[in-house]
Amino acid sequence: AQSVTQLDSQVPVFEEAPVELRCNYSSSVSVYLFWYVQYPNQGLQLLLKYLSGSTLVESINGFEAEFNKSQTSFHLRKPSVHISDTAEYFCAVSPSPFTGGGNKLTFGTGTQLKVEL
Amino acid sequence: NAGVTQTPKFQVLKTGQSMTLQCAQDMNHEYMSWYRQDPGMGLRLIHYSVGAGITDQGEVPNGYNVSRSTTEDFPLRLLSAAPSQTSVYFCASKRGPYTDTQYFGPGTRLTVL
Repeated sequence: AQSVTQLDSQVPVFEEAPVELRCNYSSSVSVYLFWYVQYPNQGLQLLLKYLSGSTLVESINGFEAEFNKSQTSFHLRKPSVHISDTAEYFCAVSPSPFTGGGNKLTFGTGTQLKVEL
Repeated sequence: NAGVTQTPKFQVLKTGQSMTLQCAQDMNHEYMSWYRQDPGMGLRLIHYSVGAGITDQGEVPNGYNVSRSTTEDFPLRLLSAAPSQTSVYFCASKRGPYTDTQYFGPGTRLTVL
């Protein structure tokens, strides 16, 4: 079984300030990790993912996340946010292939990022 | 490519009515799934399919039926709607069971009175 915890349901931040959205997971097997973003009244879009290799992964719009196996975390960061980053962010985990853990994607409860002027 | 499409976008039902939420993808993906999204609960898996003719239950399957007669389509049926099924429903697809990225549809907002 696997689970994802996003402790912060809402994170307010001023424009151009840095932000960190926290994600912790638990799993008995190796995992893939994802961050999805949902803009108002839209579906989810993949923001970035960790499959293997470098523990620091980046998105095209300035977000980055670091896989920390010892702390079972995959926190999302951005050094300077913009109004357009206002959205809900979901952390998700799935078992790596051939681990016997199945193939289901498990989501956290989401963090609403609100960027203010 | 249209990606993952869902119809309708909005629906209001009365308790006990039935309906089918449609989902289609044009990416030749084998794996398709249905989620429901409720405030404070994230997305929860209802049913999924690893290919035509193969479906399985997710985390919250009760009250929902699915079938997969073609690779492209994966409809979700509510046989007797209940107020507890008021939610936003998302269909998603990915290339295979163990591939990584899921692609989501725009969602269907369902209200059951």
